[in-house]
Formats: sequence, structure tokens, C-alpha cells
Amino acid sequence: KQEVTQIPAALSVPEGENLVLNCSFTDSAIYNLQWFRQDPGKGLTSLLLIQSSQREQTSGRLNASLDKSSGRSTLYIAASQPGDSATYLCAVKTSGTYKYIFGTGTRLKVLA
Amino acid sequence: GAGVSQTPSNKVTEKGKYVELRCDPISGHTALYWYRQSLGQGPEFLIYFQGTGAADDSGLPNDRFFAVRPEGSVSTLKIQRTERGDSAVYLCASSLDSHTGELFFGEGSRLTVL
Repeated sequence: KQEVTQIPAALSVPEGENLVLNCSFTDSAIYNLQWFRQDPGKGLTSLLLIQSSQREQTSGRLNASLDKSSGRSTLYIAASQPGDSATYLCAVKTSGTYKYIFGTGTRLKVLA
Repeated sequence: GAGVSQTPSNKVTEKGKYVELRCDPISGHTALYWYRQSLGQGPEFLIYFQGTGAADDSGLPNDRFFAVRPEGSVSTLKIQRTERGDSAVYLCASSLDSHTGELFFGEGSRLTVL
């Protein structure tokens, strides 16, 4: 059974710092992995999708990497801004299934 | 529509009542998912539709929960005899198909059972 873990659960950093959010999964036979952002009281916004054949994806100040063999993905945020404050969730689709399994998220606060 | 639309955004009901939550996916998306999210938790899978059929309903917690997608577009999640433990945010997501996989979520329907 696929399990997804995100560490740390919460993170507070000063504006301008580069930071890394971690996502671990127990079954390395994945189809793809997706990172989302969730603002309080809102739905999830897709940030990056990494297919199993890819090692990383980039969008603006965001870079997500995938290492299937170690069951890990990282989301790197460069030059963090207060507007980046949100909960970041990763979700994994295991090969042979349709559903995404989510972690519990990392609550990020970027201080001005 | 431009994005996934969910109605109502908020629903307050009494224990024992029947509730319907509606999801209108992105036009042309054949895959549709329902998730449930409790405070401080990640979304929990409920059911997946490919077209009109429920390809995976393994996440429905019990037989009080049912979902339909009769024409392969709009979906309705139905909850009978609601209980206080059903209170949560119900999220709907769609994707172009089950293979390309990128999920797009609606804003959710917050259900409160008194």
C-alpha cells in the first residue's frame, strides 16, 4: 500500500531564502508525482507534474526533482516571497492504479 | 468552463439528512475524482470516474456514500443519512485522461453536519 510522507510538517523562513520541501513514498513503482499548493480555505493549485521517466521539472522559481529508487521527491523554491506562504502537498500515482495518494503537506510561512 | 466548478461552496445540514454535492469538470476532461479533506490532513481518495463509469470506488467509506456521472461530464456525490463525522471539505478534480494524469481541482464544498 502506497504511503506518502512530507517533512517538515511546518516551516517558517525569512523572505529571500532558498528552501527545500521533502516528499517520501514507500512504493517506487509510480506513474507520476504532482506537487500542489493550497491556500487556506481554497482548493489545490497544480504546481508541477513529474512523469516517472523524468528526473525534474521547473516552473519559474520552482524546481521539483524525482528519485524513484530512493522513493523521494523534493520541491525547491528559490528566493522565497511572502506570497509563497501556503501548504504544499505532494501526491503520487502508483503504477497500475488510477488514484493519487496525498501526503499531509508542509505548511510554509515566509516572513517579510 | 475554464476550471473545475463545485457547488455548493458551503453546506450546513442536520444529522440524518440527505446531501448532494455537484462537480462540473473542465470541458473535455474524461477523468474525474472525488476526494475528502479534513482539517490539517491531505486529501483522501473517494472515487474515480473514467467517462460515465466508476473505475475505482474503493475509497467510499460506506454505503451511505454514492456518486454518479451519467453523461460523462457533471458528477454528483450523494451522502445519505449524514453523520457528524462526514463533516469535511469535499474536493473534485479532473484530468484530461487517466494517463496524462495532471489533476486540476475545484475550490471544494465544505460540508458541516450539525
